[in-house]
Amino acid sequence: SYELTQPPSVSVSPGQTARITCSGDALPKQYAYWYQQKPGQAPVLVIYKDTERPSGIPERFSASSSGTKVTLTISGVQAEDEADYYCQSADSTGTYEVFGGGTKLTVL
Amino acid sequence: EVQLVQSGAEVKKPGESLKISCKGSGYNFTSNWIGWVRQMPGKGLEWMGIIYPGDSDTRYSPSFQGQVTISADKSISTAYLQWSSLKASDTAMYYCARLPPDTYSFDYWGQGTLVTVSS
Repeated sequence: SYELTQPPSVSVSPGQTARITCSGDALPKQYAYWYQQKPGQAPVLVIYKDTERPSGIPERFSASSSGTKVTLTISGVQAEDEADYYCQSADSTGTYEVFGGGTKLTVL
Repeated sequence: EVQLVQSGAEVKKPGESLKISCKGSGYNFTSNWIGWVRQMPGKGLEWMGIIYPGDSDTRYSPSFQGQVTISADKSISTAYLQWSSLKASDTAMYYCARLPPDTYSFDYWGQGTLVTVSS
């Protein structure tokens, strides 16, 4: 079955830029989405359709796509951004979606 | 205001059946896909499947096909996730979430239903 690969963890200091990657063979053909999940809470959509930001999501959250890799970028990281981040996309046929394994962002 | 309200926590024994629910409000329930996501203790998110309440068109992840049943009753704006025979490995938090038009992202989430399966 289809898989999306994320690094297990990323660490940055406050004010720095965090980049979280997500790799998958079908990413050139399928949209990617990104979610933030804090402990004990439901996930929150932070990026949809590769690069679009839902209303209410701070401008410091952005995303890009290049070939089989997509990247979530958080500029000027704040302590409140510490969370798990998940990418989501579809397999090559668009039949079903999968989540990446998740990346724990630690703000040092 | 869009809201998805899920049924309460469940404690079941292996082999028992279970049906949990997710009631939508604040939007046209029949016109948006709604899906289910599993999160096992300390683990990541898993996409289980989605249903279009308007015509009950349903799509499953290969990992969950045949293991669960997703259904919906549009007359009461409620989606369901059910098991016919629970296993200990079904212990997890289950979230329902709405898909907005034209994307497969989840824009609104329920609060989650914790299912514990233990003898």
